[in-house]
Amino acid sequence: QVQLVESGGGVVQPGRSLRLSCEASGFNFRSHGMHWVRQAPGKGLEWVAIIWYDASNEYYVDPVKGRFTISRDNSKNTLYLQMNSLRAEDTAVYYCAREPPGGSLDVWGQGTTVTVSS
Amino acid sequence: DIQMTQSPSSLSASVGDRVSITCRASQGIRNGLGWYQQKPGKAPKRLIYAASSLQSGVPSRFSGSGSGTEFTLTISSLQPEDFATYYCLQYNSFPWTFGQGTKVEIK
Repeated sequence: QVQLVESGGGVVQPGRSLRLSCEASGFNFRSHGMHWVRQAPGKGLEWVAIIWYDASNEYYVDPVKGRFTISRDNSKNTLYLQMNSLRAEDTAVYYCAREPPGGSLDVWGQGTTVTVSS
Repeated sequence: DIQMTQSPSSLSASVGDRVSITCRASQGIRNGLGWYQQKPGKAPKRLIYAASSLQSGVPSRFSGSGSGTEFTLTISSLQPEDFATYYCLQYNSFPWTFGQGTKVEIK
């Protein structure tokens, strides 16, 4: 079945780095744009980043520009989010999600929790 | 950036009630809008895409309408499993933006 599974979350000190992974299965990963969305504790959803299906382009929300990098390995059906210079306000559940033809997000992972704290 | 203003932020309703949630975009987004349902501790689930297209497998009591700057999600007859938080998402232009959410609670 179509599935996305995130991993790599954890507790990290401010200023440090963390890399999240999202392994896809059950669909043609290389044909889809992929996204990261986050949700701070008790808050709403915030779109974070997109990478084109062929990794030819990326886009980020302003608070993470210059600190986060989205990437993908289509040979491994895996999406990544490299997070550098982490701040307390980056504490959230991070979801990866698939973009279907026509846009929006139709398949989501279960989320991985990132806590930035000293 | 396009701001999505969702209202109300919460509502109390009874089983069987008709419920409507609105999202207003700060500029026109054509029909690039989706609606999502999220239950505690779970990932969001897509209900509606392209403003009014029903996601496969989603009950027909859910419907979406609107275009341009004003959009509505309607639940025609609220069921016990519909108590959750609902979000709109505009995907017409980057950065994509979500509404603030509407928590639907049991009256």
